[in-house]
Amino acid sequence: AQSVAQPEDQVNVAEGNPLTVKCTYSVSGNPYLFWYVQYPNRGLQFLLKYITGDNLVKGSYGFEAEFNKSQTSFHLKKPSALVSDSALYFCAVRDLGGSYIPTFGRGTSLIVHP
Amino acid sequence: DAGVIQSPRHEVTEMGQEVTLRCKPISGHDYLFWYRQTMMRGLELLIYFNNNVPIDDSGMPEDRFSAKMPNASFSTLKIQPSEPRDSAVYFCASTRDAEAFFGQGTRLTVV
Repeated sequence: AQSVAQPEDQVNVAEGNPLTVKCTYSVSGNPYLFWYVQYPNRGLQFLLKYITGDNLVKGSYGFEAEFNKSQTSFHLKKPSALVSDSALYFCAVRDLGGSYIPTFGRGTSLIVHP
Repeated sequence: DAGVIQSPRHEVTEMGQEVTLRCKPISGHDYLFWYRQTMMRGLELLIYFNNNVPIDDSGMPEDRFSAKMPNASFSTLKIQPSEPRDSAVYFCASTRDAEAFFGQGTRLTVV
């Protein structure tokens, strides 16, 4: 079985400050991890993914995520938040040795204040 | 490529009516997913296809829901009869290998 948890429904951060959106996962085998962003009235857009290799993954719009195997986490980060980053963020996981279907978290609403 | 295309973008219908949502996946993608998004339940996987064959429809809430994929470039999700609790945003997504690509969604309102 595979699952993903996003413990925060909402994250508030001031523009220019660093941001972190948290994600933890559970899989039987090795994880395949993703972050997606959803802007209002739009579909989910792919941000970044991790399969193997460097634990720090860089993605679109200046976002990056850090894979931590011991903590089973894949937190999304950005050094300096923009108001335009305000959106809904989804973490997803797939078990590389199991189901092809990704499991999505419930999403975290990021609000960046001017 | 234009991405995953869904139609209509918005649908308002009366309870009891049949609703058909349409999806054109990205060419070459062999997996197609239908999701439903609501505030209460978040993103739910309804059904997915592999090479046009339905693989798992365990997420389909009731027999009122059905989905087809007659060919690699087209899929439909049908609700008959529709009910107010079906109101949600329905997304189609396709993938070939790794990340899924989502359509813009269809916002369904059943009154």
